[in-house]
Amino acid sequence: AQSVTQLDSQVPVFEEAPVELRCNYSSSVSVYLFWYVQYPNQGLQLLLKYLSGSTLVKGINGFEAEFNKSQTSFHLRKPSVHISDTAEYFCAVDRSTSGTYKYIFGTGTRLKVLA
Amino acid sequence: DAGVIQSPRHEVTEMGQEVTLRCKPISGHNSLFWYRQTMMRGLELLIYFNNNVPIDDSGMPEDRFSAKMPNASFSTLKIQPSEPRDSAVYFCASGGDTGELFFGEGSRLTVL
Repeated sequence: AQSVTQLDSQVPVFEEAPVELRCNYSSSVSVYLFWYVQYPNQGLQLLLKYLSGSTLVKGINGFEAEFNKSQTSFHLRKPSVHISDTAEYFCAVDRSTSGTYKYIFGTGTRLKVLA
Repeated sequence: DAGVIQSPRHEVTEMGQEVTLRCKPISGHNSLFWYRQTMMRGLELLIYFNNNVPIDDSGMPEDRFSAKMPNASFSTLKIQPSEPRDSAVYFCASGGDTGELFFGEGSRLTVL
């Protein structure tokens, strides 16, 4: 069965420090990969996506992620975080090769940026 | 573009009452999803429509839950009768051809 694992439920980090949020997936077929962010009392919004091509994907707000097929990982990184990055981050896999939204979401990682 | 619009934003009701949540997807999107989010279970897909037709409702927890999409610009999720364990944030999301989901701000349901 398909699954997405976000190993860290919470990640505290000081402002201006780098951060990596981990995501691993299990899949025997090609997948599309996504990171979404959820700010308090809001819906999820797309940070970045990997569909094909370059394995390093750049998204909004200075975030980037690297698709590693051999390790089945799609870790999210930011070199210097801001207080405003405090939010919950969800990794998601769409296992449909035709992009028909067979999404599986991870359990989320709560990023808390400390002053 | 107004985005995905959900109503009500907050609903407090008593056990046994009927609850109806509403969603207006982004114009032109042909896919619509209802998700439920709780601390215990995270994000759960309840049902997925494509071109107004329910494609996958395997996530609907039980017969008390029903969803409709009478046209491309409107969907409802109904719970009848509601129970305290239904308390959650319910999200509607829509998608077009890009693979990206656009979420509404959610409807927070509290069943007493």
